[in-house]
Amino acid sequence: DIQMTQSPSSRSASVGDRVIITCRASQSINTFLNWYQQKPGKPPKLLIYASSNLHSGVPSRFSGSGSGTDFTLTISNLQPEDFGTYYCQQSYSTPVYTFGQGTKVDIK
Amino acid sequence: EVQLVEAGGGLVQPGGSLRLSCVASGFSVRNNYMNWVRQAPGKGLEWVSVLYDDGFTYYADSVNGRFTISRDNAKNTVYLQMNSLRAEDTAVYYCARDTRDGYKSYFDSWGPGTLVTVSS
Repeated sequence: DIQMTQSPSSRSASVGDRVIITCRASQSINTFLNWYQQKPGKPPKLLIYASSNLHSGVPSRFSGSGSGTDFTLTISNLQPEDFGTYYCQQSYSTPVYTFGQGTKVDIK
Repeated sequence: EVQLVEAGGGLVQPGGSLRLSCVASGFSVRNNYMNWVRQAPGKGLEWVSVLYDDGFTYYADSVNGRFTISRDNAKNTVYLQMNSLRAEDTAVYYCARDTRDGYKSYFDSWGPGTLVTVSS
């Protein structure tokens, strides 16, 4: 099975900061990598699909990049509403999907 | 508007059974790939099962042989039958639509989730 490892596990940042979250796959997954944001008590929301495609309605301060085994989610100009936990998900080995363990972002 | 609403969660004893439902609106489950994803308290996301439009089903190793995913096209509803439940199955269970765009696959719609607690 493909394992997904995110870093850091948590990040504290100030409004206006740029935050970078990384996700590493245990084997090459091309660009089959999605990013989700989850807030406490709520379901995840899709942010980025296929490594770099911004989902409809998602602010442009969110961006994704990477291919193969290494991926990044960048939040430029961090806003107060961006707190939450971010998950990567590989969709290379469908029908089996794997999520990263999550990165918790809180606002200083 | 696309919407998913889960129901059927609750408290069940170890070894017991429960059936979750996910009612969809704004789209047809028969034409989409539908998934169940769970999240144990304070933990991350774990994919559980998928049902393809052609009826193909697949399960995570942790639930294979105990859980069954199905759908009722007339009710536009997806189900997750859970048998032989264990304490480690305690989680919020989410229903999610899997959108395919060429080779791309992503979960673009999620329900609010339903809590399953397995305890004596």
